[in-house]
Amino acid sequence: SSELTQDPAQSVALGQTVTIRCQGDYLTSYAANWYQQRPGQAPLLVLFGQNKRPSGIPDRFSGSKSGNTASLTITETQAEDEADYYCSSRDMSGNPLFGGGTSLTVV
Amino acid sequence: EVQLVQSGAEVKKPGESLKISCKASGYSFSNDWVGWVRQMPGKGLDLMGIIYPGDSEIRYKPAFQGQVIISADKSINTVYLQWSSLKASDTAMYYCARRGRLWYEFDYWGQGTLVAVSS
Repeated sequence: SSELTQDPAQSVALGQTVTIRCQGDYLTSYAANWYQQRPGQAPLLVLFGQNKRPSGIPDRFSGSKSGNTASLTITETQAEDEADYYCSSRDMSGNPLFGGGTSLTVV
Repeated sequence: EVQLVQSGAEVKKPGESLKISCKASGYSFSNDWVGWVRQMPGKGLDLMGIIYPGDSEIRYKPAFQGQVIISADKSINTVYLQWSSLKASDTAMYYCARRGRLWYEFDYWGQGTLVAVSS
């Protein structure tokens, strides 16, 4: 598919590890980026180039890829990690693509 | 410090025109793509298009081609998104964001402009 597909919702227990996945054909060729969006806030880049963290993003956030699936893993999940997470990548022409988003609930 | 500062919230009636802005600072404005992203109430991020201010090359997502106009003014480091005739379905939060050069990530985002269209 030319789109990026994410599960709409996931939950994780406080302090545990969660993996959020993003699937799409272009991911076999191009890196994934990940964004966190808390309610009422603008999106925030948390991972780029598959597994690189911008300054200020805790190392609890990590990324990986296998085939056409990219993954964002959050270890020792905190209450503040409850948010929507979006993946992005690009197509052959360099046009950005967004996934549909995953709503993460911390229980 | 890179900053993208967007214009304020707007309340409009169907059929009215609108132009919202995104003023960039803290980096070489002409040399990085800037995108506009729509987020309808309770929905996900939807890229509308991107512009390269250096030469005003624009790439629209097909669904938005002909529906909006993206433009830039290099003299004041500002990118615009405009509508000629708003519809109720244009009600959304609109974000501008700078696109990184190597990984095509959107690394800096504006605070968002809420556009409400109602009769």
